[in-house]
Amino acid sequence: KNEVEQSPQNLTAQEGEFITINCSYSVGISALHWLQQHPGGGIVSLFMLSSGKKKHGRLIATINIQEKHSSLHITASHPRDSAVYICAVNGGNQFYFGTGTSLTVIP
Amino acid sequence: KAGVTQTPRYLIKTRGQQVTLSCSPISGHRSVSWYQQTPGQGLQFLFEYFSETQRNKGNFPGRFSGRQFSNSRSEMNVSTLELGDSALYLCASSLGLILSGNTIYFGEGSWLTVV
Repeated sequence: KNEVEQSPQNLTAQEGEFITINCSYSVGISALHWLQQHPGGGIVSLFMLSSGKKKHGRLIATINIQEKHSSLHITASHPRDSAVYICAVNGGNQFYFGTGTSLTVIP
Repeated sequence: KAGVTQTPRYLIKTRGQQVTLSCSPISGHRSVSWYQQTPGQGLQFLFEYFSETQRNKGNFPGRFSGRQFSNSRSEMNVSTLELGDSALYLCASSLGLILSGNTIYFGEGSWLTVV
């Protein structure tokens, strides 16, 4: 049983498209993180949120605590957005990760 | 401000050996956490250290251990290496405990291959 489920697993988009990645979790959490991983391994934290919505540039993250669901939106997607996006949650004394969404943005 | 630094970046070990990985956190950060990433299992939480004490631990066998020094630098050790330990090992630092909802800053990782 996976505590964190992401969809879709793979996503290909044309440059300029609006993209949504979804994350559902089954445990009680104190915070949810969206992470970005480029080829080669390095991971960057995009957002940490425990309620509501956050925006940074073309990226928007929302969370619905009651429904145990979060979404990451990318507006006006660009080839440099191509990466794996990972959802992670702080659940109790554990840290759970989704399996990631591999995004490819085609020029 | 320097980021999280992990050494070595790449290493190859033989089954049965042990390995020690090092992590230097961002200056001022007191929490260091470790993660294993494999193609099959994805990212998994190993443990977190704060003020030289292990605060949280994932579901890994006792062969995986760590420690944190007074300057917040951390080491992770894996003893009696198995082929399945081949993975990318990531270290991250944060100002406070990650399980209390602090932003996490990752290092570039150490690629371990066990042959």
